[in-house]
Amino acid sequence: KNEVEQSPQNLTAQEGEFITINCSYSVGISALHWLQQHPGGGIVSLFMLSSGKKKHGRLIATINIQEKHSSLHITASHPRDSAVYICAVSPNTGNQFYFGTGTSLTVIP
Amino acid sequence: NAGVMQNPRHLVRRRGQEARLRCSPMKGHSHVYWYRQLPEEGLKFMVYLQKENIIDESGMPKERFSAEFPKEGPSILRIQQVVRGDSAAYFCASSPGQTNTEAFFGQGTRLTVV
Repeated sequence: KNEVEQSPQNLTAQEGEFITINCSYSVGISALHWLQQHPGGGIVSLFMLSSGKKKHGRLIATINIQEKHSSLHITASHPRDSAVYICAVSPNTGNQFYFGTGTSLTVIP
Repeated sequence: NAGVMQNPRHLVRRRGQEARLRCSPMKGHSHVYWYRQLPEEGLKFMVYLQKENIIDESGMPKERFSAEFPKEGPSILRIQQVVRGDSAAYFCASSPGQTNTEAFFGQGTRLTVV
């Protein structure tokens, strides 16, 4: 069983739609990260969360530490948001991230 | 302040050759992590280094793979006698502290073994 589970695996949306990607984890963590990877591209860190909520432009990330759950929301989605979104956690013990398998988002014009 | 720089972006090697992947962390970052992304799979931890020290190499294959982060210069991930199964994207991340701080990722090196 993976320490980090994401859903959905694949998501297709019309331009302008509100999008939610979910992440659940099973270990105690010190922080959770949302990452973005474009096809064939590098990885960009979108957010790092240890509690509450963060907003950056049209992106919003929330975390509920008690429920071990985080969500990434995209408002007014745009085709350029098409990418793989990856949830990663920093466990309380150990030196590595644990990664979800990613959510592949396609936004259709 | 340039981000995490990895080079080369693409690397093609024949079976049996050596591959050297370089990662220059962000200025001021002394923690480097290497991850491998196999085709159609998620990212997997390989090794965590601080300057001149390997802190955790629990994700490194036991043979042919090694990593270093010298006092001066980039971190190097070295793969000897490459095989087709080594074909993957290798990502480096750096942070000023351990993973409960902001981590920044490089663009990755895509290794193809032919």
